[in-house]
Amino acid sequence: EIVMTQSPATLSVSPGERATLSCRASQSVGSNLAWYQQKPGQAPRLLIYGASTRATGIPARFSGSGSGTEFTLTISSLQSEDFAVYYCQQYNAWPGTFGQGTKLEIK
Amino acid sequence: DVQLLESGGDLVQPGGSLRLSCAASGFTFSSSAMSWVRQGPGKGLEWVSSITGSGASTFYADSVKGRFTISRDNSKNSLFLQMNSLRAEDTAVYYCAKGPNSRTVLCDSWGQGTLVTVSS
Repeated sequence: EIVMTQSPATLSVSPGERATLSCRASQSVGSNLAWYQQKPGQAPRLLIYGASTRATGIPARFSGSGSGTEFTLTISSLQSEDFAVYYCQQYNAWPGTFGQGTKLEIK
Repeated sequence: DVQLLESGGDLVQPGGSLRLSCAASGFTFSSSAMSWVRQGPGKGLEWVSSITGSGASTFYADSVKGRFTISRDNSKNSLFLQMNSLRAEDTAVYYCAKGPNSRTVLCDSWGQGTLVTVSS
């Protein structure tokens, strides 16, 4: 099973600033990496797939990068609605393991 | 618009059984792999099971293998999860999610979830 490790567990950033979230895979997943956003009491929402492709309706301030085992989600200028928990998931091999999540909170 | 509506969550005793359903609309159901993903109280996301668009192949997390069975009825645009021998650690919100193609665990749309509580 591929283990996904996200860092940091919690990230405190001020509105308008940039946030950088990391995700590491225990073995190569190619570009088969997705990022999801989850707000309290809501279902997750797909943000990024293929490591760098934004899903439909996702604002351009969200960007993904990386391949193999190291991936990054960058939010260029944080808006109030961006404070949430973010999960990465590899879908290169079964099972499609998730990272443990990064909570992005207001500084 | 894609809609996924889960149902069937309930309070059940340890060792009991439950069947979850997910009614899908707004897309070609038979062309999409479907998955169940759960989230325990205060915890992260855990992939549980997936089924290919045709239903020919199924996949399970080790934690539920042999106890849970995923199935689908493409004529009724419905997904199911039969859960047997339930344990306290199965307590979670269970989400139904669709994939962008017929064989993937990537989830591009999610339902709102249904709560399963396993407790005596």
